[in-house]
Amino acid sequence: DGGITQSPKYLFRKEGQNVTLSCEQNLNHDAMYWYRQDPGQGLRLIYYSQIVNDFQKGDIAEGYSVSREKKESFPLTVTSAQKNPTAFYLCASTPWTGEMNTEAFFGQGTRLTVV
Amino acid sequence: KQEVTQIPAALSVPEGENLVLNCSFTDSAIYNLQWFRQDPGKGLTSLLLIQSSQREQTSGRLNASLDKSSGRSTLYIAASQPGDSATYLCAAPNQAGTALIFGKGTTLSVSS
Repeated sequence: DGGITQSPKYLFRKEGQNVTLSCEQNLNHDAMYWYRQDPGQGLRLIYYSQIVNDFQKGDIAEGYSVSREKKESFPLTVTSAQKNPTAFYLCASTPWTGEMNTEAFFGQGTRLTVV
Repeated sequence: KQEVTQIPAALSVPEGENLVLNCSFTDSAIYNLQWFRQDPGKGLTSLLLIQSSQREQTSGRLNASLDKSSGRSTLYIAASQPGDSATYLCAAPNQAGTALIFGKGTTLSVSS
C-alpha cells in the first residue's frame, strides 16, 4: 500500500537531548513537509522540501533541523535548542508541480513528550 | 499572509442531521482548498480537494464548495452518523504556493 510512515508513534525526550523523528513515503512524491500540532491550535509548518538535497524553513523552524538525502525520506531532528518540544508532529507529502495545487497526504503522526 | 479561520470550533448534533462546517481564508488567489478529517491521536485523512476552477466537489455524503471571491468554503455533511465524529480541518496554500496553511478545525460530535 502506498502511503507515509512515521515512526515512532510515541517518543520521550529528556532535557538536553536531541531526538530524530522518521518519515518515509512510497508515493514517489517530490515534496515533503513537517508540521507541528498543539492542543487548540492549527498545524504549523516547521520545514519543507521540494526536491532532494534542498529544504526550506517554515514558520517555526527554530530548534529543529532536517535532511533530505533521499526522495522517500525526510527525517526531523528536534534539538535541545527547542525549548518546548512536547507536541504532535505530522509529516506530509505532495507531488510537486511548481505550485501547491495537488492533494496532500499525511502520516499518522509522532507524539513527542519531554520527561 | 494567508490566514484560515474555521467556525464553529465545536459542534454537537443528533444523528441524522445535515450540517455545514465553515472555512474562510484571507488570500483569495489560491490554487485549491483541501478538507481533512482527524480522529483523536491520529494523522490527517484527506476528504476533498477543490481546485480553484471548481465550485463544488462531492464524495459520498460530503459536499465541499468554494467561493474564492468571498474567501469562503463550506463542508456539507448529509445525514450525519456517530462515525462522523472527528475534527475537520480545512487548509489553503500560503501566498508563495509552497505549503498549506491550516485552520484550527471544527470538532464534531454526533450522538446516537
